[in-house]
Amino acid sequence: SQKIEQNSEALNIQEGKTATLTCNYTNYSPAYLQWYRQDPGRGPVFLLLIRENEKEKRKERLKVTFDTTLKQSLFHITASQPADSATYLCAPGNAGNMLTFGGGTRLMVKP
Amino acid sequence: GAGVSQSPRYKVAKRGQDVALRCDPISGHVSLFWYQQALGQGPEFLTYFQNEAQLDKSGLPSDRFFAERPEGSVSTLKIQRTQQEDSAVYLCASSFQLADSEVSYEQYFGPGTRLTVT
Repeated sequence: SQKIEQNSEALNIQEGKTATLTCNYTNYSPAYLQWYRQDPGRGPVFLLLIRENEKEKRKERLKVTFDTTLKQSLFHITASQPADSATYLCAPGNAGNMLTFGGGTRLMVKP
Repeated sequence: GAGVSQSPRYKVAKRGQDVALRCDPISGHVSLFWYQQALGQGPEFLTYFQNEAQLDKSGLPSDRFFAERPEGSVSTLKIQRTQQEDSAVYLCASSFQLADSEVSYEQYFGPGTRLTVT
């Protein structure tokens, strides 16, 4: 069955550093992968979508990579700020089908 | 414009009671999704509507769970004879996504309904 793995341990980093979050998947060949941010007590908020034919995508301080050989996506936040503290969810999917979410990684950026 | 809204935000039910959770999607969004999120976990898919048609209900955990979207806009998730294991946050999301589309669209989530079964 499909399996999506994100580091369940919280990632603690210092303000200004680059945060890197990992999403690995098995038994799955997604055509795209979406990343969401979730704050406590709120629903997830869409951040970025990357397609299988795109190696990298950027949006402001965010960068996502998608390696279909390694079956892995990396999510980077450069010049991190305390306001970036949240849980980040990856969700691989295929066109028209439902997203399957990973368990999320909690990021804590300390001032 | 208004986002996805859900009501109630919190619901406490005694074991065995029926509950109904409401979702108002973004106007014009064809697709509507329900997810269940346990504490510390990612959202898990329950069911999907395209307009009023329920195209996928493979994630509904038991026949006590029922969802409808009769007019292709507002949706209700009903849980009959609630059990303690039903305690979770129930998230609704809407999207332009079409089941037969090769284009992928982001989903817009509501704030969720936190259900606690005592």
